[in-house]
Amino acid sequence: QQQVKQSPQSLIVQKGGIPIINCAYENTAFDYFPWYQQFPGKGPALLIAIRPDVSEKKEGRFTISFNKSAKQFSLHIMDSQPGDSATYFCAASKTDGPDKLIFGTGTRLQVFP
Amino acid sequence: NAGVTQTPKFRVLKTGQSMTLLCAQDMNHEYMYWYRQDPGMGLRLIHYSVGEGTTAKGEVPDGYNVSRLKKQNFLLGLESAAPSQTSVYFCASRAPGLFNEQFFGPGTRLTVL
Repeated sequence: QQQVKQSPQSLIVQKGGIPIINCAYENTAFDYFPWYQQFPGKGPALLIAIRPDVSEKKEGRFTISFNKSAKQFSLHIMDSQPGDSATYFCAASKTDGPDKLIFGTGTRLQVFP
Repeated sequence: NAGVTQTPKFRVLKTGQSMTLLCAQDMNHEYMYWYRQDPGMGLRLIHYSVGEGTTAKGEVPDGYNVSRLKKQNFLLGLESAAPSQTSVYFCASRAPGLFNEQFFGPGTRLTVL
């Protein structure tokens, strides 16, 4: 069962563009929504995360927008760079326990110079 | 600190063979996790542990066993490998407490022929 749906599957942008990756979740008990970045041959690494008590969080060029009523959240990458080319995964979990992350299916981002 | 390490990095098995994947972390984390990553499916939780001597099933536990005899190590076993277990396996660890990051290892690429 796919509890976190992610789109698009792949994304190609020019340097300086603003790619947007969207995720939707089903379980209203989720209260932690991280995004992970994965480079080829490496493990995922936490990029940025948000809790449902805020609608937006920014860290550098990365922004999460969160819409609790729609059960959706998205990642925006400002002024994208070739070094941002990676696979991005959204995830969700309930933090009142062992924090079992439910991952989206991933978005492969390519940023061309 | 090495963080989370995984052994081996690559392995090829024949159907029916067994093997053990080793995960080690030097961050004194209580929680540890095993995920598998397959194209188009994101990361799925196999088993997890909330402390030494404890283990629990995740989303896709069938065909796998785990053990956590020492706090720093989490072993994933395949008793009789099947081609459907061809995947990239990631281990992660996390400190208890709200909203703490899961740190991932570099992965083990397993092929079952």
